[in-house]
Amino acid sequence: ETGVTQTPRHLVMGMTNKKSLKCEQHLGHNAMYWYKQSAKKPLELMFVYNFKEQTENNSVPSRFSPECPNSSHLFLHLHTLQPEDSALYLCASSQWAGPTDTQYFGPGTRLTVL
Amino acid sequence: DAKTTQPPSMDCAEGRAANLPCNHSTISGNEYVYWYRQIHSQGPQYIIHGLKNNETNEMASLIITEDRKSSTLILPHATLRDTAVYYCIANTDKLIFGTGTRLQVFP
Repeated sequence: ETGVTQTPRHLVMGMTNKKSLKCEQHLGHNAMYWYKQSAKKPLELMFVYNFKEQTENNSVPSRFSPECPNSSHLFLHLHTLQPEDSALYLCASSQWAGPTDTQYFGPGTRLTVL
Repeated sequence: DAKTTQPPSMDCAEGRAANLPCNHSTISGNEYVYWYRQIHSQGPQYIIHGLKNNETNEMASLIITEDRKSSTLILPHATLRDTAVYYCIANTDKLIFGTGTRLQVFP
């Protein structure tokens, strides 16, 4: 399944670093999402973008900064993270951002903050 | 969004049907039931969804009770590759993942 790709797949960073996660979807979808999955916890929705506009920010700390330059690309800029931010970060896309629109997930970026 | 309850884990022999239950007793009339699964360390994968009627696709069948308070996902012939965490979600707006059912398919 290569509909939604994420890079890098693994990332190790220090608390003072700045890094970015990239997501690209090749499905012609209009909505994109960032989720966080910490160890032994359910997936948590972070951000939703619909037609490049952010429609949801689920009380995410400002050290996570999303960017959606077009409907096919989504970035998550990271700066001054904490060790508890270590998690699997998943990107997803759907045709629209409606309740019946199936979301297609990428493989995720495994982030470790030292 | 309705709360869903699933057993934490289940086992199934390879080749047999896996029946995964989900309770969503507070579901409202316009909330769909979605099923996703997540194989270890991968992104979740959509399986099936339904509103009132039973649904079937190439992956699974979804049986929803008449009162819509519960549903069952059926994998008709489970394989080792079906070992995963299965999530049942009832929503009108966005996907809210719970802890799911960890299905272990054994040889």
